[in-house]
Amino acid sequence: NAGVTQTPKFQVLKTGQSMTLQCAQDMNHEYMSWYRQDPGMGLRLIHYSVGAGITDQGEVPNGYNVSRSTTEDFPLRLLSAAPSQTSVYFCASSYRWDRVYFTEAFFGQGTRLTVV
Amino acid sequence: KNQVEQSPQSLIILEGKNCTLQCNYTVSPFSNLRWYKQDTGRGPVSLTIMTFSENTKSNGRYTATLDADTKQSSLHITASQLSDSASYICVVSDPYSDKLIFGTGTRLQVFP
Repeated sequence: NAGVTQTPKFQVLKTGQSMTLQCAQDMNHEYMSWYRQDPGMGLRLIHYSVGAGITDQGEVPNGYNVSRSTTEDFPLRLLSAAPSQTSVYFCASSYRWDRVYFTEAFFGQGTRLTVV
Repeated sequence: KNQVEQSPQSLIILEGKNCTLQCNYTVSPFSNLRWYKQDTGRGPVSLTIMTFSENTKSNGRYTATLDADTKQSSLHITASQLSDSASYICVVSDPYSDKLIFGTGTRLQVFP
């Protein structure tokens, strides 16, 4: 049981390049999400998915695309990298959110991205 | 706007000492409040999850308290160890959007 696996761990991109950050979980979680973490700020939600085939925007979605073709995978695509996207990116997963009960969120190890 | 604020921003203590980290939030209502520990270069890991009806919850040397009336929570660490050096993040769950609202964290350093 690997939990939430993110690849790569580190990446350097040139402005304008595109790339995909991979995220996979083996816990059969319905809910997956992507966050970015910047110095002096709390984690901010980029995109999330409540199940295969369903995605929605979070707080800071511009410049990023996601898709959810399977329950296990939730890749994050940077369309045209910009220096403002230099950050640490975290993928998280949990069982389906429920307003009455709560479920534990598990985070990946993070991807440190630098855009030059 | 729903916010979660933590204090202090950073804290240095000696090994074996106790410390308390604070969290104030404006999310109202909320469904649960969480404390996460984030080691350098790693993802956050859950320490405790508390609903609005819980006042205290412990996880080993970590004890979280919650006062839903004043919208304050604290995380108390007893007999600190070098491995407690990390960032501690307070997170509140927005019941309407089901999203997590993160504080900026407290950076704790424990020295021998």
